[in-house]
Amino acid sequence: DGGITQSPKYLFRKEGQNVTLSCEQNLNHDAMYWYRQDPGQGLRLIYYSQIVNDFQKGDIAEGYSVSREKKESFPLTVTSAQKNPTAFYLCASSIEQTQYFGPGTRLTVL
Amino acid sequence: GESVGLHLPTLSVQEGDNSIINCAYSNSASDYFIWYKQESGKGPQFIIDIRSNMDKRQGQRVTVLLNKTVKHLSLQIAATQPGDSAVYFCAETFGYNKLIFGAGTRLAVHP
Repeated sequence: DGGITQSPKYLFRKEGQNVTLSCEQNLNHDAMYWYRQDPGQGLRLIYYSQIVNDFQKGDIAEGYSVSREKKESFPLTVTSAQKNPTAFYLCASSIEQTQYFGPGTRLTVL
Repeated sequence: GESVGLHLPTLSVQEGDNSIINCAYSNSASDYFIWYKQESGKGPQFIIDIRSNMDKRQGQRVTVLLNKTVKHLSLQIAATQPGDSAVYFCAETFGYNKLIFGAGTRLAVHP
């Protein structure tokens, strides 16, 4: 996990609520990423940011939003528009092409 | 579109044996490949990487082989230990740091 932290580890949300997942890194990496992982599957890219105040949609951005106001932080908001938000969410940061991951947040919608 | 896949979803080995996990990739333009290990409930952990100008790279107990002719990547783990039990992902990347992941192979180590 290195210097990447995600909080909380477990998160429960009621349907119709927005929720924000935290990701912080102290590795001085420029690029940060959010992935979603469903049981028995690989990782799918939600959003990524190459530099502060800039971010791009990944493959499954619908129902999610992000901000990158600081180099160290890349929070992910799961909105009520995300129809199936229950999943394991992973944040990563990268130096050149190598990505390093945080410990993940497991989100469950009740 | 481009994809990274794995030949075997589950691999069972005896403790002490060598393990070989295979991966096929479809994009001949990919220039960098990574193997990750993911234990249950945790984030993926970087194991080893290799660039497309190399055929082989060795780490501690692990070796990655790249065969660009058939677009094949493998991870070899020597003297497999119970702590090696996990899901292993290969990933490829080409430009803009976007990683494409395979579905993963579960390695089960039996005593």
